[in-house]
Amino acid sequence: EPEVTQTPSHQVTQMGQEVILRCVPISNHLYFYWYRQILGQKVEFLVSFYNNEISEKSEIFDDQFSVERPDGSNFTLKIRSTKLEDSAMYFCASSGDRGTGGEQYFGPGTRLTVT
Amino acid sequence: AQSVTQPDIHITVSEGASLELRCNYSYGATPYLFWYVQSPGQGLQLLLKYFSGDTLVQGIKGFEAEFKRSQSSFNLRKPSVHWSDAAEYFCAVGLMDSSYKLIFGSGTRLLVRP
Repeated sequence: EPEVTQTPSHQVTQMGQEVILRCVPISNHLYFYWYRQILGQKVEFLVSFYNNEISEKSEIFDDQFSVERPDGSNFTLKIRSTKLEDSAMYFCASSGDRGTGGEQYFGPGTRLTVT
Repeated sequence: AQSVTQPDIHITVSEGASLELRCNYSYGATPYLFWYVQSPGQGLQLLLKYFSGDTLVQGIKGFEAEFKRSQSSFNLRKPSVHWSDAAEYFCAVGLMDSSYKLIFGSGTRLLVRP
C-alpha cells in the first residue's frame, strides 16, 4: 500500500540554524501539506501546496518557513532560522483527489528539537 | 471561524466495553469530516470519513461514526473496545476552500483497562 514517508524521523538542531524536513508524498497525489503538533497540543495546519505553488498558509507559516517541491517526488519544509518554539512534530500529508473530500494521508512525522 | 471541539480530554473504558468519542464542529457549509488515530510516537492514521450520503459511516478496526447535522456532531463509536485501541483520537473538519486543509480538534486520549 502506498504511503507517505518522511526523513529524518528525529532532528536536533541549535537555535538559529536552518533545517530541512523532507517528505515523499504518494506518487500520484497532487496536493501536499505540512502540519505541526507541539507536544501535548493539537495538530495545526501550516501550509498547502498545489501545482508548484502555495495555495494557503497559516499565520504560523511566517517568513522563516518555506516549502519546495524540487523534483517529482520530494516535498520539503525549510525553517531558515529555528527558534525554541519551533520544537514540534512536523507531519507531511498528501491528497490525490478533491472529489473524495480531500482525504489526506499522513507521514509518520519528523520530531524537531531546537536547543 | 471554523473549529472542532472534542470535549473529552481523556476517556477510560474497560476492554470489551462500548466506546463513544464526541466531536462537535463549527462550519458554515456541509463539512467533510474525518477521524484519525495516533498511537504513541506514530503518525496519523485515517479511521473513517464522511463526505455525503449515508450519515452512518463505517471505518477500519470496527469503528463507526454518525454525522448529525442538527447537532453539528460526528461522534465516533465502537461496540467493543480492544486493548490495542488505546491511543489518541482526533476529529477533523476538511474545509472546502482553496486548500482543503484540515482543522483538528484537540484530541481525546483513550485508555483501556484490562
